Amino acid sequence: QKEVEQNSGPLSVPEGAIASLNCTYSDRGSQSFFWYRQYSGKSPELIMFIYSNGDKEDGRFTAQLNKASQYVSLLIRDSQPSDSATYLCAVGTGGGNKLTFGTGTQLKVEL
Amino acid sequence: SAVISQKPSRDICQRGTSLTIQCQVDSQVTMMFWYRQQPGQSLTLIATANQGSEATYESGFVIDKFPISRPNLTFSTLTVSNMSPEDSSIYLCSVEQGAGNTIYFGEGSWLTVV
Repeated sequence: QKEVEQNSGPLSVPEGAIASLNCTYSDRGSQSFFWYRQYSGKSPELIMFIYSNGDKEDGRFTAQLNKASQYVSLLIRDSQPSDSATYLCAVGTGGGNKLTFGTGTQLKVEL
Repeated sequence: SAVISQKPSRDICQRGTSLTIQCQVDSQVTMMFWYRQQPGQSLTLIATANQGSEATYESGFVIDKFPISRPNLTFSTLTVSNMSPEDSSIYLCSVEQGAGNTIYFGEGSWLTVV
C-alpha cells in the first residue's frame, strides 16, 4: 500500500523564521512530488512540484527531494502569518496523475 | 492554470437522498478526477472521469454509490447516492494540466448529511 507520511503538527514558527515541512513516502516507484497549501475551509492550492533529486526554489519556497531516502521537504523562508495553513505532500507514481496525499502538517506562524 | 468551478459549494442533505455535484472547467482538459476529503483527513481519490466512457474507480469506491458522468472535455458530474452521515465530506473536482502532470483543484463542495 502506498503511503505518504507527514507530521500532523502543529508546527509553530515565529514570523520571519524558516519553516521546514517534511514528508516521507513508501513507494520507490514514485516519480512526482507536490506540495499543496490548504487554508481552513478552502480547497488545496498548488505551491510547487519537483521531480529530480536536489533543490528547487520558487520565491520564498524551496522543495527538496531525496529519492534514495524517500524524503521530500518544503522550506518556507521569511515565514509570514499568511503562511499559516495546512501543507499537504502528494506523491505521484507511474503516469503521475494519480496522487497519494499525506495527512498534512499544520503550520502556525506567530507574530 | 484552468479555472475550475463546482456547484453546489455547500449543501446540507437528508440521509437517504442523492446529490449531484457539477464541475465546469474553462478549458478543455483530458484528465479529470474526483477526490474526497473527510473531516480531519487528507484527500482520497474516488475516480478518474473519462470522457465518453465509464469512470475508473479506486479501491473502495463503486459506481453505484458514486456515479460519474463526463460528457465532454470541460464538464463532469459526481453523484453521491443514498447518502449517510459518513458521506459528510468535501468533494473536490480536479484536473491535470500543464507541466509535470500537475493536479489543480476546484473550490470544493462541502456536503453535510443529517
